[in-house]
Amino acid sequence: SQQGEEDPQALSIQEGENATMNCSYKTSINNLQWYRQNSGRGLVHLILIRSNEREKHSGRLRVTLDTSKKSSSLLITASRAADTASYFCAPGGGADGLTFGKGTHLIIQP
Amino acid sequence: DAGITQSPRHKVTETGTPVTLRCHQTENHRYMYWYRQDPGHGLRLIHYSYGVKDTDKGEVSDGYSVSRSKTEDFLLTLESATSSQTSVYFCAISESLRRELYNEQFFGPGTRLTVL
Repeated sequence: SQQGEEDPQALSIQEGENATMNCSYKTSINNLQWYRQNSGRGLVHLILIRSNEREKHSGRLRVTLDTSKKSSSLLITASRAADTASYFCAPGGGADGLTFGKGTHLIIQP
Repeated sequence: DAGITQSPRHKVTETGTPVTLRCHQTENHRYMYWYRQDPGHGLRLIHYSYGVKDTDKGEVSDGYSVSRSKTEDFLLTLESATSSQTSVYFCAISESLRRELYNEQFFGPGTRLTVL
């Protein structure tokens, strides 16, 4: 696996707005995953997108993958206070473990 | 939630003492992992296991050893704790039939370790 770089490092939006965060990586991958971490808790898997997929949805989440640009985006629509968390991408994960960047810290303002 | 527990959840110890952290799963997953999380570094892989008695090193394995004598338990040992090992330690599990069908990891609640 390789480390992804999340951007922005911090994001603050109003409740109800959409939040978009990006992930860039360096070498070709088979899949890319997004995880969420609430303060003081373990990571929770959100979504996995494989290299032959361009877009994937899960509830209010939409993930895109552009393998030509080596980038992925995570869109959270109609944000809620409970979405306040850090979000991490993990490109190219395999059975030998994942590599995480510093994440995007998302704050949803009431 | 995936059945993963970590013990202890908090520990304070002194430099030079041995420390063992335990990860226990009830999912019968094949793969188990230990990560550490530090400010400014994200999560980094320490060691992982791909089966009973089968382990391998991760990115930051120096100063750590692991053992897996049963499918459900993965132990992380700091033979002689140092202040640089103060961190939050997370265990994770995963099941993968083949490398290209790799699935998500499920994380435990973490262990906060302070080495004085």
